[in-house]
Amino acid sequence: AQTVTQSQPEMSVQEAETVTLSCTYDTSESDYYLFWYKQPPSRQMILVIRQEAYKQQNATENRFSVNFQKAAKSFSLKISDSQLGDAAMYFCAYRSLEYGGSQGNLIFGKGTKLSVKP
Amino acid sequence: GAVVSQHPSWVICKSGTSVKIECRSLDFQATTMFWYRQFPKQSLMLMATSNEGSKATYEQGVEKDKFLINHASLTLSTLTVTSAHPEDSSFYICSARGSSVLNNEQFFGPGTRLTVL
Repeated sequence: AQTVTQSQPEMSVQEAETVTLSCTYDTSESDYYLFWYKQPPSRQMILVIRQEAYKQQNATENRFSVNFQKAAKSFSLKISDSQLGDAAMYFCAYRSLEYGGSQGNLIFGKGTKLSVKP
Repeated sequence: GAVVSQHPSWVICKSGTSVKIECRSLDFQATTMFWYRQFPKQSLMLMATSNEGSKATYEQGVEKDKFLINHASLTLSTLTVTSAHPEDSSFYICSARGSSVLNNEQFFGPGTRLTVL
């Protein structure tokens, strides 16, 4: 079974600085998706960025980028120029491309709470 | 992205009563819907997965007779918490996914906070 590990329960960053959130995963599959979701105090889950495992190029969405290391099974999220609105829980998630019993559902890590200091 | 709504956003009920939570995909057909439960300061725990017109598949440890899931149409799924007890108090989140390439993404509803007195 696949697992997702986020080893940083809490992180803090100064406004306008850069922060990196860590995520590792375990799988025997060769193709899959990886995601970072943001959950602000409103608790609405928001997709931040996604990465297809077959793509070697790291995904980027404006101030958000990932460092995807497939061999190391590592998927870290870098937030540049941090803003107060970035304060939230961040969840790393794995999704299998195989539609067997799991039906391709998301497997979440435990989350990292990010605080942004003004 | 696509929009998923949930109703109600919060509900308070007495112990022993049943509560129904609705999840709707507003602008796409959701072939698969997921129901999650989230305790304070914890991650999302998948409760069950449902495909339109089929019985839901429950995760291990989730009581299917207590958490009734119906996915009767491509835009609506319901979660009914039967004979609710205080330990069922939690935040419930639904998520929906379509079948097209565009809608293969999984979109989340805003969640429902259930408090059982």
